Amino acid sequence: DAGVIQSPRHEVTEMGQEVTLRCKPISGHNSLFWYRQTMMRGLELLIYFNNNVPIDDSGMPEDRFSAKMPNASFSTLKIQPSEPRDSAVYFCASSLSGWGGYTFGSGTRLTVV
Amino acid sequence: AQKITQTQPGMFVQEKEAVTLDCTYDTSDPSYGLFWYKQPSSGEMIFLIYQGSYDQQNATEGRYSLNFQKARKSANLVISASQLGDSAMYFCAMRSASGNTGKLIFGQGTTLQVKP
Repeated sequence: DAGVIQSPRHEVTEMGQEVTLRCKPISGHNSLFWYRQTMMRGLELLIYFNNNVPIDDSGMPEDRFSAKMPNASFSTLKIQPSEPRDSAVYFCASSLSGWGGYTFGSGTRLTVV
Repeated sequence: AQKITQTQPGMFVQEKEAVTLDCTYDTSDPSYGLFWYKQPSSGEMIFLIYQGSYDQQNATEGRYSLNFQKARKSANLVISASQLGDSAMYFCAMRSASGNTGKLIFGQGTTLQVKP
């Protein structure tokens, strides 16, 4: 199993540009989570999906952020327009419903200049 | 509201010694799960150990054990025989079964440095 795959690993973009982060969960996992990690705020849950349906997006900071999960094997997190304060590491994680562990991807380090 | 608290921003331990990383939690749900993750300087999040709220025994995984004290709402991680490779950030996390939400919330983390 290849684990949770995120792309790109690093992204540097200019303020105002659109940024799309991608995630492929572990095959068979039916829950997918997007987290953001910063020094100031730690690990924050942005949104999570269960069976491709968004369950809780209360952590999405504002309308500039959107997430989709068109099928069980792919999800995107989009920021449009991006701002310097969006600079962070964005993690995707997946799990099976129930009490299984959550497997994290390697993260995308986003820098908005 | 659910909350995870890690009160130790940083810890030092001598190589081969044991160390305890503190974690307290707050939830009104009777069914929940507690997790510990390790984040080395390379940045990945590595799952270490899991404890269910109804588990009678403390969870153990190799050199990791979870000291679960339900009445005190604490779930401390004990690392025995510390190794230099244990130097990392450690996160405590909780998942509640309430409404089958599946949300995993994290504490602020503890940075552990193992001294040779």
